[in-house]
Amino acid sequence: EAGVAQSPRYKIIEKRQSVAFWCNPISGHATLYWYQQILGQGPKLLIQFQNNGVVDDSQLPKDRFSAERLKGVDSTLKIQPAKLEDSAVYLCASSGRGPGRRETQYFGPGTRLLVL
Amino acid sequence: DQQVKQNSPSLSVQEGRISILNCDYTNSMFDYFLWYKKYPAEGPTFLISISSIKDKNEDGRFTVFLNKSAKHLSLHIVPSQPGDSAVYFCAASKAAGNKLTFGGGTRVLVKP
Repeated sequence: EAGVAQSPRYKIIEKRQSVAFWCNPISGHATLYWYQQILGQGPKLLIQFQNNGVVDDSQLPKDRFSAERLKGVDSTLKIQPAKLEDSAVYLCASSGRGPGRRETQYFGPGTRLLVL
Repeated sequence: DQQVKQNSPSLSVQEGRISILNCDYTNSMFDYFLWYKKYPAEGPTFLISISSIKDKNEDGRFTVFLNKSAKHLSLHIVPSQPGDSAVYFCAASKAAGNKLTFGGGTRVLVKP
């Protein structure tokens, strides 16, 4: 079974530029998550989708971040304009039934963003 | 407000010995707990989980213990192997499938 795919793996941009990340979840997983992981910290949830609807975006900085999952499969996360403090790893995860029949989140490799 | 805390940023252990990682939480609504392992340049990998109705869950060399009254959980790895060297994250949720709240991670180094 293929895992969660993300691209690009690395991105370097200047502040005030825009950037977009792409995620393809595990086939059949209805729930998709975007996390931000700043160096030295644990991942923090930005947004959660159930199919193509938003379940939780309470921690998404909506003035500059946006995300969509139009057909309930792939998702894109956009930052416009980027700030220095957006430098982080952006992780995509999807959830489905794991061991013990409880939903488990499976993560992609992440996109490492550096804003200069 | 950090609802999930891992107070030890790093741990060094000899191969073959036990590794004990600790995690504390403050939100009594959390009822599902997970441990993830992360290698450099990779995403976190699910390791083991425990529901609040249990106090212990075991999977091979990995055992998670939950003490609800103390709002504390721990991960035991025995015996530790060099391949276990990674960053370990504790995470909690209010229900399976809901959003995860992560601790800051503990970097484990297993020396051969």
